[in-house]
Order: sequence, then structure tokens, then C-alpha cells
Amino acid sequence: AQKVTQAQTEISVVEKEDVTLDCVYETRDTTYYLFWYKQPPSGELVFLIRRNSFDEQNEISGRYSWNFQKSTSSFNFTITASQVVDSAVYFCALSEFEKTGANNLFFGTGTRLTVIP
Amino acid sequence: SQTIHQWPATLVQPVGSPLSLECTVEGTSNPNLYWYRQAAGRGLQLLFYSVGIGQISSEVPQNLSASRPQDRQFILSSKKLLLSDSGFYLCAWSRQTYNEKLFFGSGTQLSVL
Repeated sequence: AQKVTQAQTEISVVEKEDVTLDCVYETRDTTYYLFWYKQPPSGELVFLIRRNSFDEQNEISGRYSWNFQKSTSSFNFTITASQVVDSAVYFCALSEFEKTGANNLFFGTGTRLTVIP
Repeated sequence: SQTIHQWPATLVQPVGSPLSLECTVEGTSNPNLYWYRQAAGRGLQLLFYSVGIGQISSEVPQNLSASRPQDRQFILSSKKLLLSDSGFYLCAWSRQTYNEKLFFGSGTQLSVL
């Protein structure tokens, strides 16, 4: 069965510090996708990134970067030079190859990031 | 562009009362539709998903039901709410291809008292 673990429940950093959010997953499939979503105080989940299991290249988007390591089943998310607007709950999710046509994402329990000005 | 609408934003209901939450998607056709619940301090739990009109799959046995009367409409219902039904309910849609990202609505905060 699939599982996503975000061991960090809450993290607080001072503005401009770098912060890494950890995500460890379990799956028996060789084909799967990993996602990160941001949930600001408004509640709506905002898509950040999708990465398939065959692409282990790290990705950078502005101040955001993702480190995918299949060897350790991890997909960590780093925010560089954090800002107050980064304060939110961040979710990591896993989607396995699904024959039914649905795209069921299995989410971790989330990490609440607070950036202190 | 595609948009997803979910209402109401907040709802306070007494135990034993019925529930109806509605979600509609615009700007796309034949979407997959999903209902997730987020309990306080916990992650998101998939409740139902639908790959077409009238096709509902339930992930967790519970006091809730879902229906899809139209292609872009997804309804979450209950005949009698329980205290444990309290939570934040999110509707989402995706394209009908594998492992697509989900687009979420703004959510409904349900408090059952």
C-alpha cells in the first residue's frame, strides 16, 4: 500500500532563512508521480510541482527547489530566502499508475511552515 | 480557462441534519471529480471520486454519499450528520489522463454541533 510521511508537523523560520520540508514515500509500483501542494490560510490547495518516478533530476523554480532521491524514497522541498508569504501548510502527495482512469492522490499529513518577519 | 466552484464556504449544522455540498467545474469536459476531507491536524483523505456521470467510487465507508448528476457537477450528501463529519471538505478535478495533477476548490468548513 502507498504511504506518504511528512515527519515535520510544524516548522518556524525567520524571514530570509532557507528551509527544507521533508517527504518520504512508500510504494510498490515502479511508475508513480509525486506532488507538492501549498495550502495558504485561505484553504485552497495550490499545485506546486509534479515529478514522475523516472525523472530524478532536481528542479528549481525561483526560490523553490525539489530534491528527488529514489534511493531513499524521498522528495524534499526547499525554499530559499523564505518570505512571510510562504507561510502555509505544505502537502506532499503520491499518485500511482491507475488503471481506472482516476488520479487518486495520497497525501501526507502536511507541514505547517511559519515564516517570522 | 478552467475554474472550480465549491459552496458554501462555511456551514454549521446540528447532528442528525442532512447535508448537501455542491461543486461545479467550468471550462473543461469529462473531468475526473473528487471529494477530499481534511480533519483538523490531519492530512487529506480521499472520500469519493468519479470518472463519469453516475459513476461514483467510494474510498472510505462512512456516513456520506456522492452523486454526479451532470458531467461537471459533483455533490456530497448525508442524510444524517454525525459529529465526526466535521472537517474541511475539498472538491477537486483532473483531466482524464494518468497521474494528472488535481485542481482544488476553495473548500467548505463544516462544523457539526
